[in-house]
Amino acid sequence: DGGITQSPKYLFRKEGQNVTLSCEQNLNHDAMYWYRQDPGQGLRLIYYSQIVNDFQKGDIAEGYSVSREKKESFPLTVTSAQKNPTAFYLCASSRSGGAEETQYFGPGTRLLVL
Amino acid sequence: RKEVEQDPGPFNVPEGATVAFNCTYSNSASQSFFWYRQDCRKEPKLLMSVYSSGNEDGRFTAQLNRASQYISLLIRDSKLSDSATYLCVVNILTYQGAQKLVFGQGTRLTINP
Repeated sequence: DGGITQSPKYLFRKEGQNVTLSCEQNLNHDAMYWYRQDPGQGLRLIYYSQIVNDFQKGDIAEGYSVSREKKESFPLTVTSAQKNPTAFYLCASSRSGGAEETQYFGPGTRLLVL
Repeated sequence: RKEVEQDPGPFNVPEGATVAFNCTYSNSASQSFFWYRQDCRKEPKLLMSVYSSGNEDGRFTAQLNRASQYISLLIRDSKLSDSATYLCVVNILTYQGAQKLVFGQGTRLTINP
């Protein structure tokens, strides 16, 4: 089955700790995205990548980092600099980076701060 | 003004009713429009794209009004399974010249038996 997988489903972070969220896709999509969703709010773009070894900051990139070493993988690290990390994190991919392309989402990771 | 703004909701309607959502966008150069559906604690899934001429998919009809910069979603003969949050999505041209999708905050719909 083709799709996007995210792990873990739930993640707990201690103060001052960096954590990494995994996102993998086997759709052969060039573009991948990370969003954050807070309760009652829409999705906000953290980072996106339109091609391997290249990525751009979205609207709320501070306190986050990404890498795109492989086409199928786009991990997100939530650093200790992110002071309010509790949220629902969604990874998405699209065939190319064009805005007319449908974005397909993974099941998400819920990050909670201990 | 928010880039994409939706009806605040929540909408509570009886099964079989017709319900309509509106969404306004601020960037007149926006070209692509979508409605996504998001179930509780799940990821968003594409419901339908919105085309200039309007489009229909079964009980769902989407309309675009470029002059007034809004899109709408109409659900006829609503089912219990239509209960979800509906997200309006618009492409925005960034100041760097790149395209990005912007999501509205969503409108929660509950269909009551």
